[in-house]
Amino acid sequence: DSGVTQTPKHLITATGQRVTLRCSPRSGDLSVYWYQQSLDQGLQFLIQYYNGEERAKGNILERFSAQQFPDLHSELNLSSLELGDSALYFCASSVGGGLQPQHFGDGTRLSIL
Amino acid sequence: GESVGLHLPTLSVQEGDNSIINCAYSNSASDYFIWYKQESGKGPQFIIDIRSNMDKRQGQRVTVLLNKTVKHLSLQIAATQPGDSAVYFCAGLGGSGGGADGLTFGKGTHLIIQP
Repeated sequence: DSGVTQTPKHLITATGQRVTLRCSPRSGDLSVYWYQQSLDQGLQFLIQYYNGEERAKGNILERFSAQQFPDLHSELNLSSLELGDSALYFCASSVGGGLQPQHFGDGTRLSIL
Repeated sequence: GESVGLHLPTLSVQEGDNSIINCAYSNSASDYFIWYKQESGKGPQFIIDIRSNMDKRQGQRVTVLLNKTVKHLSLQIAATQPGDSAVYFCAGLGGSGGGADGLTFGKGTHLIIQP
């Protein structure tokens, strides 16, 4: 158990809809990262937050956004969903940032019908 | 930019033998690497990390070797056990897919343990 909690585990929705994925980092971790894992693209970094502030962006679509709240939990919002958004979405956390291990949750499996 | 790639998609080893999983990277500015293990239905699990100022790091039954000259790292697992069956990823800090602290992942190697 990594200590990172993601909800829900599974999400099934339709094209054009909007969903919110939730992540609680490990106790004491200030950085939260979001990654997408798909069969064709592998694991890709989406976005990072550190202590409530956006720190870095990766391959995140404009339809996607995230935020980190004062209690350090984070939410990833996906809107105008397309079939190609079907994937596993992982959250990871680390104590700070930089050269430190990132610990992953067990992900949310998003299926778009 | 950086790409982190694996040489073999599948590696089959006998139980009790040592396993070696390889990874190549292209960004010579990468200064931190992590090996992860991912089992079916789970998230990537941290195994071991190494900074670019090191050549070797050992953990429990695992060793990571970093060769900066040829931009290659490897994960060695001693006395492979059935529970080691999983997909193994190398990841580097920095690169085309990551900004600041975003990791760039390789495609993964599926380690299969033969009884």
